[in-house]
Amino acid sequence: SYELTQPPSVSVSPGQTANIPCSGYKLGERYASWYQQKPGQSPVLVMYHDNKRPSGIPERFSGSNFGNSATLTISETQAMDEADYYCQAWDSSTYVVFGGGTTLTVL
Amino acid sequence: QVQLVESGGGLVTPGGSLRLSCAVSGFTFGDSFMSWVRQAPGKGLEWVSCIGSSPSTIKYADSVEGRFTISRDSAKNSLYLQLNSLRPADTAVYYCARVLVGTGAGGYYFHMDVWGKGTTVTVSS
Repeated sequence: SYELTQPPSVSVSPGQTANIPCSGYKLGERYASWYQQKPGQSPVLVMYHDNKRPSGIPERFSGSNFGNSATLTISETQAMDEADYYCQAWDSSTYVVFGGGTTLTVL
Repeated sequence: QVQLVESGGGLVTPGGSLRLSCAVSGFTFGDSFMSWVRQAPGKGLEWVSCIGSSPSTIKYADSVEGRFTISRDSAKNSLYLQLNSLRPADTAVYYCARVLVGTGAGGYYFHMDVWGKGTTVTVSS
C-alpha cells in the first residue's frame, strides 16, 4: 500500500519561513494536497494540485512537489498559522492516502 | 453558502451499528463526489470511504471494507455511512467532505475542498 511520511513537528519563529515536508515513493508523479487543522476544528484545504491555493488562502502559503517529496511552505509565518498540517495524495490501489500529520509550532 | 452538516454519532457497544448522515446545501449534490474521513482521538486523518455521482463508484479503506456502507440520496441532498460490527478502534470524529476529482496534466487528482464539522462515534462497553 502507498504511504506518505511527515515529520511529527516543525518549529518556526514568527516572520520566518516554515517548510513542511511530505515524502512518498514517486510522489512527484502524483498530485499532492495539503490540509490545515486547528485544535477543535475541521480540516481546511490550503493547497491542491501541488501548488494551487484555494480562494481565501493567503499568498504566504505555497507548495512544491518533485521526486519523492512535496513541501508546503509558509512565508512570513504568523501565530495564526499554528496548526496540524496533513499532506494527501491519491493512489490507484490504496485510493486516498494521508500523511501522519505535522504540528507546526510558531515560537 | 456551501455547508455540510453531519449527524447520527453517539455511544455504541462493540458489535453494534450506527447510521451517520451528512446534509448538504449550497452546491449541486447530485453532481458531486463525496467522502467520509475519520479522526481517532489525538490521531491523524484517515480516509474511510467515497462515492461518486453515480453509486457505481464506491471505494472503502481496508480497515472498514465489509463493515461500513456508503450511500447517497440526491432527492434529500444527503450522504450516509452505515457502520456495522463496530469496534473500539472505530472510535473517532467522522467528517463528510466534498471531493474534487479528475485528470490533469499531472495525472489523477482527488482532494477534499469542503468539510463538515464532524460527528463523534464512540465504541465502548
